[in-house]
Amino acid sequence: NAGVTQTPKFQVLKTGQSMTLQCAQDMNHEYMSWYRQDPGMGLRLIHYSVGAGITDQGEVPNGYNVSRSTTEDFPLRLLSAAPSQTSVYFCASSYSWGSQGENTEAFFGQGTRLTVV
Amino acid sequence: EDQVTQSPEALRLQEGESSSLNCSYTVSGLRGLFWYRQDPGKGPEFLFTLYSAGEEKEKERLKATLTKKESFLHITAPKPEDSATYLCAVWGYSGAGSYQLTFGKGTKLSVIP
Repeated sequence: NAGVTQTPKFQVLKTGQSMTLQCAQDMNHEYMSWYRQDPGMGLRLIHYSVGAGITDQGEVPNGYNVSRSTTEDFPLRLLSAAPSQTSVYFCASSYSWGSQGENTEAFFGQGTRLTVV
Repeated sequence: EDQVTQSPEALRLQEGESSSLNCSYTVSGLRGLFWYRQDPGKGPEFLFTLYSAGEEKEKERLKATLTKKESFLHITAPKPEDSATYLCAVWGYSGAGSYQLTFGKGTKLSVIP
C-alpha cells in the first residue's frame, strides 16, 4: 500500500498563476481532506470530502477549489495564486470520520511545499 | 467552536528524563482524540487514538491518557530519536451534520544526548 500520495513535493508559482495539487489514496477511505501548515498556526483545514461527489469548506477555504469524482483522488486547485498561499499543504484520508465511531484516525501524505512569488 | 491547546510549545529534555505533554480541548461531542508525531519536512504520523475518558494507550516509550478535558502524552526515558513535534487533534461536530478534525499547534520536543 502506498497510503496517501501527494504530488508535487515542491512548487514555485508566480502571483496570479493557477495550479492543481494532486492527492491520491489507495486505502478505500471515504473521508479526505486538505490542510495547510504555517509556522505558529498549526494545521488548518481548507476543504474536505466525505465521499465521491461530496465536498465542503473547512476553516480557510478562500482561494481554493476541490472536487471528488472518485474515492481515490482529491485534487486541490489554486485559482489565482497569492503570496499569502505560500505554505506547506497536506492531504489526509481516514476510513471513517467524526459521525461514525471508531477507525477515524487520519493518515497524511508527505506534503507539498508551495512558494508563491 | 472547537479548540485544542497544547502545552508547552517547546520542551527540552535530557536523554532519560521523563516528562509529559498536555493537550486540553473543548469540543461538542468528542468522537476521538489523536496524537501524531511530525518530523521536519514530513507529514504527521499517527500514534494513538483515544475515544473515552479513562482510556490509555502505550507504544514503546510513549503513553497517552484521556480525561474529559485533556489528554497527556507521557514520555518515559526519552531518547534523541524521540525528538519531533507532537500534535494533538480532535474530531468535533461543526454543525449541519458536519464533523471536522481540529489540531493543536503542537509541542516541539528536543531530547539532548
